[in-house]
Amino acid sequence: QQPVQSPQAVILREGEDAVINCSSSKALYSVHWYRQKHGEAPVFLMILLKGGEQKGHEKISASFNEKKQQSSLYLTASQLSYSGTYFCGTARNTPLVFGKGTRLSVIA
Amino acid sequence: AAGVIQSPRHLIKEKRETATLKCYPIPRHDTVYWYQQGPGQDPQFLISFYEKMQSDKGSIPDRFSAQQFSDYHSELNMSSLELGDSALYFCASSLGKNSYEQYFGPGTRLTVT
Repeated sequence: QQPVQSPQAVILREGEDAVINCSSSKALYSVHWYRQKHGEAPVFLMILLKGGEQKGHEKISASFNEKKQQSSLYLTASQLSYSGTYFCGTARNTPLVFGKGTRLSVIA
Repeated sequence: AAGVIQSPRHLIKEKRETATLKCYPIPRHDTVYWYQQGPGQDPQFLISFYEKMQSDKGSIPDRFSAQQFSDYHSELNMSSLELGDSALYFCASSLGKNSYEQYFGPGTRLTVT
């Protein structure tokens, strides 16, 4: 079942923060986050495997709330290079199913 | 560090023709995945191989087939191409199946005219 991402799109000024949410009506086993720039391949950001797990990657971090069947991606002090489409994906010993993506645009 | 290699990067075919896309996974990765991504869409899983055996099958049309060879490279064969097959095709590889991080190749942009 495809996870639901929100918001669908967001525009930020450099230095602003953003949160992208990924939720599922089914229990989440693992949540993967990827960023894709236009015409390029998705790039792996991080994977969360356990409820309550939090991970960080430079100024990008994520949390996984197993009980709420939700994961959130936090982007702090955004940079122009953060622009792109962010996909969450879920898997439970099954192929990864991606959400429809959140288009993030960072402007100067 | 070595990345996933895909060839060709661009391919233009006519309707009803065939196409073969190639993928060379990261060395020592045991799982290969194929995805199709239409414009403005999320990547859709087509098929995967684990240790050269077909592992999972997604929304792959019957006109498509894939295999993984002894050197771990994989090929996606597409026949009777339709206009709707125009898309970006990505190959990804991972060490371990499904729940492990996947590394994507640069993709093959297929245009069917």
